[in-house]
Amino acid sequence: DARVTQTPRHKVTEMGQEVTMRCQPILGHNTVFWYRQTMMQGLELLAYFRNRAPLDDSGMPKDRFSAEMPDATLATLKIQPSEPRDSAVYFCASGQWLAGRMGGELFFGEGSRLTVL
Amino acid sequence: TQLLEQSPQFLSIQEGENLTVYCNSSSVFSSLQWYRQEPGEGPVLLVTVVTGGEVKKLKRLTFQFGDARKDSSLHITAAQPGDTGLYLCAGGYAGGTSYGKLTFGQGTILTVHP
Repeated sequence: DARVTQTPRHKVTEMGQEVTMRCQPILGHNTVFWYRQTMMQGLELLAYFRNRAPLDDSGMPKDRFSAEMPDATLATLKIQPSEPRDSAVYFCASGQWLAGRMGGELFFGEGSRLTVL
Repeated sequence: TQLLEQSPQFLSIQEGENLTVYCNSSSVFSSLQWYRQEPGEGPVLLVTVVTGGEVKKLKRLTFQFGDARKDSSLHITAAQPGDTGLYLCAGGYAGGTSYGKLTFGQGTILTVHP
């Protein structure tokens, strides 16, 4: 059963520490998203990639966040240094989109719950 | 600024009642999707609508896309406790480099009491 895999599921860290979250998208999917979910803001798009190329990272605080796809099976989201306001659930999602086609399904991982003390 | 406004934010009803959740925007979307999320899990797609005025039914759930493709609604008939969860609408774009990009509403937390 193909699914998006995220690690770690839970992370508690102290302010100022580096945090790296990893995602294995579904094999064959060409688009990978990073979302952050909080009660106040809901699901916010941080960044997304198509065929491993970054398309939009305007939702990400550039000074501390970075997102990469070193290969087709791995996407990473890094926070350095982390701050208490970064506490949230971070979701990775993947999908297969073709130009001109509408309504592709997004498959979400189970999320990484981050707590920054 | 939230591009997609969902209402209500919270809904608490008794089993057997009907309900409607709304998703509104000032933007035109190429597609509108509805997802359902349970605690500790990621959202799961329920339906995609792509044509203005389109209506889709999924058992007791009815989804409608507005004629101008700026709004959508989800109607549940005879709600059951198993319908409890967070319902999210998401607007998608088909053109240019933004194709496939999904913007989510803040969600509606539905609780159905037995």
